Amino acid sequence: AQSVSQHNHHVILSEAASLELGCNYSYGGTVNLFWYVQYPGQHLQLLLKYFSGDPLVKGIKGFEAEFIKSKFSFNLRKPSVQWSDTAEYFCAVNWDDYGGSQGNLIFGKGTKLSVKP
Amino acid sequence: NAGVMQNPRHLVRRRGQEARLRCSPMKGHSHVYWYRQLPEEGLKFMVYLQKENIIDESGMPKERFSAEFPKEGPSILRIQQVVRGDSAAYFCASSPRDREDEQYFGPGTRLTVT
Repeated sequence: AQSVSQHNHHVILSEAASLELGCNYSYGGTVNLFWYVQYPGQHLQLLLKYFSGDPLVKGIKGFEAEFIKSKFSFNLRKPSVQWSDTAEYFCAVNWDDYGGSQGNLIFGKGTKLSVKP
Repeated sequence: NAGVMQNPRHLVRRRGQEARLRCSPMKGHSHVYWYRQLPEEGLKFMVYLQKENIIDESGMPKERFSAEFPKEGPSILRIQQVVRGDSAAYFCASSPRDREDEQYFGPGTRLTVT
């Protein structure tokens, strides 16, 4: 079955440090890739998404992610984190050619990011 | 422009009771999705509905769980005869027609079964 792995359960960084959160998915084929963020006490929000084209995707708040098809990866990066980036980050994947619908997003377990001021 | 609304935000039920979770999609959205998040787990897809139609229920447990999205009113996720293992956060998302990639999430309903 399709699955999505996020390597780090909890990441602690100081402000201005660089961030990279890993995300790998289990199966090749045509994929749509997403990163969602959940700030404390708030809804899940879409940070960025990749469907096709340039594998380097830029999202909101200075985040970007790179799709590497050969590695089945879609890692999230930010050059310099801020205290306000403290949140939980979820990677999600939808497969175009899997039997499920386009609405069936498969989520990773999430990575909690704590940024120390 | 109100976002996706879910109510109640917290729901406590005793084993054997029924739980009804409601989701009102964003204005103009005709697709609704339900996800469940167990402790220390990611969100798991349950069901995808359009008005009066279930599109994909591949993630729904075979028994006790049902979902509907009537022509009028919110989408309802119904869990009959709840058990402790049903305790979780249940999230609803909505999207415009034919834009399953644009899912906007609600705040979730936290169900506790005692």
